[in-house]
Parts: sequence; C-alpha cells; structure tokens
Amino acid sequence: AQTVTQSQPEMSVQEAETVTLSCTYDTSESDYYLFWYKQPPSRQMILVIRQEAYKQQNATENRFSVNFQKAAKSFSLKISDSQLGDAAMYFCAYSGNNDMRFGAGTRLTVKP
Amino acid sequence: DSGVTQTPKHLITATGQRVTLRCSPRSGDLSVYWYQQSLDQGLQFLIQYYNGEERAKGNILERFSAQQFPDLHSELNLSSLELGDSALYFCASSVDVQGAVKNIQYFGAGTRLSVL
Repeated sequence: AQTVTQSQPEMSVQEAETVTLSCTYDTSESDYYLFWYKQPPSRQMILVIRQEAYKQQNATENRFSVNFQKAAKSFSLKISDSQLGDAAMYFCAYSGNNDMRFGAGTRLTVKP
Repeated sequence: DSGVTQTPKHLITATGQRVTLRCSPRSGDLSVYWYQQSLDQGLQFLIQYYNGEERAKGNILERFSAQQFPDLHSELNLSSLELGDSALYFCASSVDVQGAVKNIQYFGAGTRLSVL
C-alpha cells in the first residue's frame, strides 16, 4: 500500500524567508502524481502544486517549487519569500492507480 | 471557488441516526471522491466514483455508503452514527481519464458533521 509521510508536524518561518516542507512516500507503482495541498483556517483544500512522476523537471508555481527525488521517493515543497497568507496546514498527497493518500500534514506558521 | 458544491455546510445529529451528504462536481468532471478529516488529522480517502460506477475504495466503514447519479452528483450516506464519526467530510472532483486517480482533484468546502 502506498504511504505518505510528513515528518514535520510543525514548521515556522520568518516573513520573506524561505522554508522547506518534507514529504516521503512509498510505492511500487511507476506512474503516479504527487501534490501539495494547502488548508488555511477556513479548512478549504487548495491545490498548491503538482508533479507527474514521469517528469524529471521539478514543478514550479510562482513562489512555490518542489524538489522531486524519484529514486529516494522524496517530494519536498519550498516556499520562497514567505508571506503571512502562507500560514496553513500543508498536506502532501500521492495519487496512483487506485486511490489518493495524504500525509498527516505540516502546520506552517509565518512570523511577521 | 473550486466549482465543487457540498451541502449542507454543517450538520448536527445524534448517535444512531442517518444522514446524507451531497456533492455536485465541477462541470465536466466525471470522478467524485469522498474524504473524511477528523479534528487536526489528515484526510482519509473513503471512496471514488467514476461516471456512476464505483472505481476505488479506501477506508470506508460498512455503515457508510455512496453513490453517483446520472447527473454526476454524488451522495454519501452515513448510518448508525457514532460520536467518532464527527468530522469534516470533503468531496472532490476531477476530470480523470478512464477513471484513473491521477488527475488534479478540486475540493469542495466540506460538510462539518457533529454527532452528539
């Protein structure tokens, strides 16, 4: 079964600084997608970024980028120039042929 | 606005009761997914429907059932409710090619269920 592990329950970053959230996963599938979702206090799930496993190039969306290491089964999220609005729970997710699994989440605090 | 509509937003009921949660997917999306998120926890995948057919099943209890109707809206039925069923229930939809769970899922705002 596919598992997703986020080893950092909480992280903190100073406004305008950079922070990296970690995620590892376990799978025997070769074709899959990885996602980072953000859940602010409103509890809405918002897609931040997506990575297809067959693509070697790391995905980037404005201030958000990933470091995808397929062999190591690692998928970290880097947030540059952190803003107060980035404060939220961040969930890493794995999507394969059968289902979608989420990590336990990392709560990110942004200090002004 | 993700385009996925969930009703009701809040539901308060008693143990032993039965409730129905409704989800309307984004226009054009054939797949609907249901998730459960207990307090301060991650999301647990419950079940996926693709174009009316059950496609994938996760950690869904036997007391729970779901269906997707011809107009593609979906309902999640929760019966014999227990205190532990109190959670936020999310519906998500995606366009999915051939039902594979690989595409971007867009989430509704969730239904908060409180079982007293």
